[in-house]
Amino acid sequence: QSALTQPPSASGSPGQSVTISCTGTSSDVGGYNYVSWYQHHPGKAPKLMIYEVSKRPSGVPDRFSGSKSGNTASLTVSGLQAEDEADYYCSSYAGSNNLGLFGGGTKLTVL
Amino acid sequence: EVQLVQSGAEVKEPGDSLKISCKGSGYSFTNYWIGWVRQMPGKGLEWMGIIYPSDSDSRYSPSFQGQVTISADGSISTAFLQWRSLKSSDTAIYYCARLNMLWGVIITIDQWGQGTQVTVSS
Repeated sequence: QSALTQPPSASGSPGQSVTISCTGTSSDVGGYNYVSWYQHHPGKAPKLMIYEVSKRPSGVPDRFSGSKSGNTASLTVSGLQAEDEADYYCSSYAGSNNLGLFGGGTKLTVL
Repeated sequence: EVQLVQSGAEVKEPGDSLKISCKGSGYSFTNYWIGWVRQMPGKGLEWMGIIYPSDSDSRYSPSFQGQVTISADGSISTAFLQWRSLKSSDTAIYYCARLNMLWGVIITIDQWGQGTQVTVSS
């Protein structure tokens, strides 16, 4: 199975909102509500931001939200802040025959 | 505080063997699956395999089956990723990760290690 499809880059000014998409198929993103989003500042450990499509772990600001429509999941970052500049990866369960899929990653730039 | 601390960067030659580690702390290490994820230069993330430290039950992605060995020692709260004979194409950052599982399904990764850079070059 191919990786999930994310735009390579996204950007926004401080205070604005930006949405990052993650497109799969009915065998992964569209078929299950097990989509996660991770924030990765290079050189550091990635951090879980969203799980099960729209749930936020404790400590993650509510500026981060997740949703899904059909085979596409989305991460929205509202009220952009400088520290949100990072790489963002989505992942999804993809059935019992594999461990899951990751997206190729999106570099979010805060202008 | 839950933490996964990985061993340091490695520089190896093709054909060398290597074992990198991932030590968990702040939680019951044997009660959570650990996964290994590869990130090749300029590329995205790929699942390599997972292991349950309590009984060493493990699963591998097809691409990595037979290429690496995943193991764990619950007595020292440490998981390992091992190669018998490295290739230049093994150059990558390797992350360990604590998994949140439900009925055999990986729900999410709730904690990541900081990554181990492995460079294979002659």
